[in-house]
Amino acid sequence: DAGVIQSPRHEVTEMGQEVTLRCKPISGHNSLFWYRQTMMRGLELLIYFNNNVPIDDSGMPEDRFSAKMPNASFSTLKIQPSEPRDSAVYFCASSLRAYTDTQYFGPGTRLTVL
Amino acid sequence: GEDVEQSLFLSVREGDSSVINCTYTDSSSTYLYWYKQEPGAGLQLLTYIFSNMDMKQDQRLTVLLNKKDKHLSLRIADTQTGDSAIYFCAELHDYKLSFGAGTTVTVRA
Repeated sequence: DAGVIQSPRHEVTEMGQEVTLRCKPISGHNSLFWYRQTMMRGLELLIYFNNNVPIDDSGMPEDRFSAKMPNASFSTLKIQPSEPRDSAVYFCASSLRAYTDTQYFGPGTRLTVL
Repeated sequence: GEDVEQSLFLSVREGDSSVINCTYTDSSSTYLYWYKQEPGAGLQLLTYIFSNMDMKQDQRLTVLLNKKDKHLSLRIADTQTGDSAIYFCAELHDYKLSFGAGTTVTVRA
């Protein structure tokens, strides 16, 4: 079975541009998570979806960040406008059931905002 | 709130055992995990332990859980060069995974 798929793997953009990161969770998994990894703050949960519905977005840094899950097999994380401090690795993870099951991570998208 | 702490670095000789330690604060965590991250890669699940267990063994990996002290450890037997990576301890409470800062393990010949 394919694991969690993320695209692009690397993204370099200029400050002020819109960035869209994409994720395809493992088929059959009902929960999807977006994380951000930085040297300073480590791994942080940005948002959690259950059955395509956002349940907890308290980790989203500010209004420039938005996430959607239009169906069970696709999610996007959008940053508009992007800023240099958004440079990080963004991971998507999915699990069968959020409260009891293991979260499986994608390979991540390394974002660099110049 | 959740707070997971790990030592930052470990250097081990090839063939020796590695022990990575972790402490956590949330006594109501249901599962505790160890993930491995190689350079430029995502987080790979290594193993996990349910909070009512004391020990779990999986091939070269042994996880020990001391609930009283909120201490978790991962032992890697016969450490190989391919084990060089960053190892993250994480606790699951409700749906939230809280991660430690990661322990960088360097395997020297």
